[in-house]
Amino acid sequence: QQQVKQSPQSLIVQKGGISIINCAYENTAFDYFPWYQQFPGKGPALLIAIRPDVSEKKEGRFTISFNKSAKQFSLHIMDSQPGDSATYFCAALNQGGKLIFGQGTELSVKP
Amino acid sequence: GAGVSQSPSNKVTEKGKDVELRCDPISGHTALYWYRQSLGQGLEFLIYFQGNSAPDKSGLPSDRFSAERTGGSVSTLTIQRTQQEDSAVYLCASSPYHVGNTGELFFGEGSRLTVL
Repeated sequence: QQQVKQSPQSLIVQKGGISIINCAYENTAFDYFPWYQQFPGKGPALLIAIRPDVSEKKEGRFTISFNKSAKQFSLHIMDSQPGDSATYFCAALNQGGKLIFGQGTELSVKP
Repeated sequence: GAGVSQSPSNKVTEKGKDVELRCDPISGHTALYWYRQSLGQGLEFLIYFQGNSAPDKSGLPSDRFSAERTGGSVSTLTIQRTQQEDSAVYLCASSPYHVGNTGELFFGEGSRLTVL
């Protein structure tokens, strides 16, 4: 049973544009929402994360927006660069330590 | 320092054979996870070990799949009687934190399994 739904599956953005990836979750027992970045041939790596008591978190060009009532959260990449081209996964951590990932979004930033 | 190490990096096997995939987590990390990554399917949770607690096996897709973690460190994922649908990249991750503290996992580069 898929508990974290992610969209879009793929995204093409021009250099300098804003990339937006959305996720929705079903289980209210989740208490931590990280985003991971994966380059080809590598394992995913933590990019940025947020707890549900915060509505927004910003780190450099990366921002997470969190809507607890709607059970949705999104990643915004400002001033997108070709080096940001990668697969992005949202995830949700339950209180037992189990981390559930979304389906992934393949981002391509065109120069 | 050394990251999470997985072996083999690539494995080609024939349908029906058994395979073992190994994961060496970062030293001192108490939590260890196995995920499966198939094309277009995201990261599918398989199993989670935390310290000496009973593992969460809720993601194992069938009884052909099993995993062990010896001495709280190295883990082996075993797939018996492999099927073509088992072809995927198997990713291992470890975390130094107690359950629920954070969602930061440190991933290895994966073992790519191809079943012919």
